[in-house]
Amino acid sequence: DIVMTQSPDSLAVSLGERATFNCKSNQSVLYISNDKNYIAWYQQKPGQPPKLLIYWASARESGVPDRFSGSGTGTDFTLTISSLQAEDVAVYYCLQYYNSPQTFGQGTKVEIK
Amino acid sequence: EVQLVESGGGLVQPGRSLRLSCTASGFTFGDYGMNWVRQAPGRGLEWVGFIGSEASGGTTEYAASVRGRFTISRDNSRSIAYLEMTSLKIEDTALYYCTRGRNYPRYWGQGTLVTVSS
Repeated sequence: DIVMTQSPDSLAVSLGERATFNCKSNQSVLYISNDKNYIAWYQQKPGQPPKLLIYWASARESGVPDRFSGSGTGTDFTLTISSLQAEDVAVYYCLQYYNSPQTFGQGTKVEIK
Repeated sequence: EVQLVESGGGLVQPGRSLRLSCTASGFTFGDYGMNWVRQAPGRGLEWVGFIGSEASGGTTEYAASVRGRFTISRDNSRSIAYLEMTSLKIEDTALYYCTRGRNYPRYWGQGTLVTVSS
């Protein structure tokens, strides 16, 4: 199974500041034939199901604010919130869908400093 | 509008069985694979299993932690996916979500809570 490791486990950022967190896989999730990284990012707020933010590592889901961006390739990926808003307080998960079983990272909790 | 509604959760004793349902609407159910994902209280997300679309023959895949105990099936005529859980363990206690799609699930239900306790 592909193991996904997120860092840090938690992060406190001031409103309006940049938040950056990482996701690392123990093997490449880049499919060479289509040059796509099989990584998605989700946001989960308390009492809600996860919400898709980013797929193919950097494609922003429709309706997601452009302050959210994803980057990376191969085994190392980053989700960036360019200017943290109060409503961004949540837990963020990465997911690899390169192969079965799909595996999630353990999550990064984002709070306001 | 795509909707997924899970049901069937509840309190069950260890070793017993339970069947969860995921009722879908707003799309052609048979065209999509469906996943089950669970989340233990206060914990992260764990993929449980997948059933392929009607065109793919409805092939199934399972996480190692549930393989041999859980079975996913689907009724395309009723737009329902099922998760049959047997030999339940305390560690199966979780909120169970169904999601749509093979790759990056875009649509999730609200989940149904399964509590395994004596």
